[in-house]
Amino acid sequence: DTAVSQTPKYLVTQMGNDKSIKCEQNLGHDTMYWYKQDSKKFLKIMFSYNNKELIINETVPNRFSPKSPDKAHLNLHINSLELGDSAVYFCASSHGGIAGWGGETQYFGPGTRLLVL
Amino acid sequence: GESVGLHLPTLSVQEGDNSIINCAYSNSASDYFIWYKQESGKGPQFIIDIRSNMDKRQGQRVTVLLNKTVKHLSLQIAATQPGDSAVYFCAENPGGGNKLTFGTGTQLKVEL
Repeated sequence: DTAVSQTPKYLVTQMGNDKSIKCEQNLGHDTMYWYKQDSKKFLKIMFSYNNKELIINETVPNRFSPKSPDKAHLNLHINSLELGDSAVYFCASSHGGIAGWGGETQYFGPGTRLLVL
Repeated sequence: GESVGLHLPTLSVQEGDNSIINCAYSNSASDYFIWYKQESGKGPQFIIDIRSNMDKRQGQRVTVLLNKTVKHLSLQIAATQPGDSAVYFCAENPGGGNKLTFGTGTQLKVEL
């Protein structure tokens, strides 16, 4: 009955490697997000997709590339991993209102804990 | 336990007491606010939200108060229980679209 799921839960890898994190939601939502949470627990949005279209792209290195094969999935691929990429990455989804409605509840996945050595 | 370098504000309350967690937001154009609870090792969990045309909203054991004049948001938890121990985040939608900007978080510790 998991609403927003992510795989893997833990990811330990070497600097310079390329890795992917997958996210799926079964809520029927149109909008999905990727957030990064650092060691101080600060949560910051990275990307948002609405119905497979990129709508939010914060200042994120272009080593990070999101891909949305369909509106229920949003994957995050990271090239040339660096030590500073170590963090917890959360996927979230929301119903996906018309732009300008001004915010709606986002539902988060359990997180992927990435450690770059 | 806490990570090295982690300096979250911490609120310690006795079980059964009421808790008040405060949040100052930055953007006067924000029109939607939301509180999340994050337990250790889990993702943020929705608690309650409020739109800028309201100043108070109540849920089960929780109340959110919004003061737009001073850009302040608070979360009140009645009869705090051990299961309420978590990090609490406020978030604001700075006008239009679905982008949420999160606050720094407050660690709530419930003492038996």
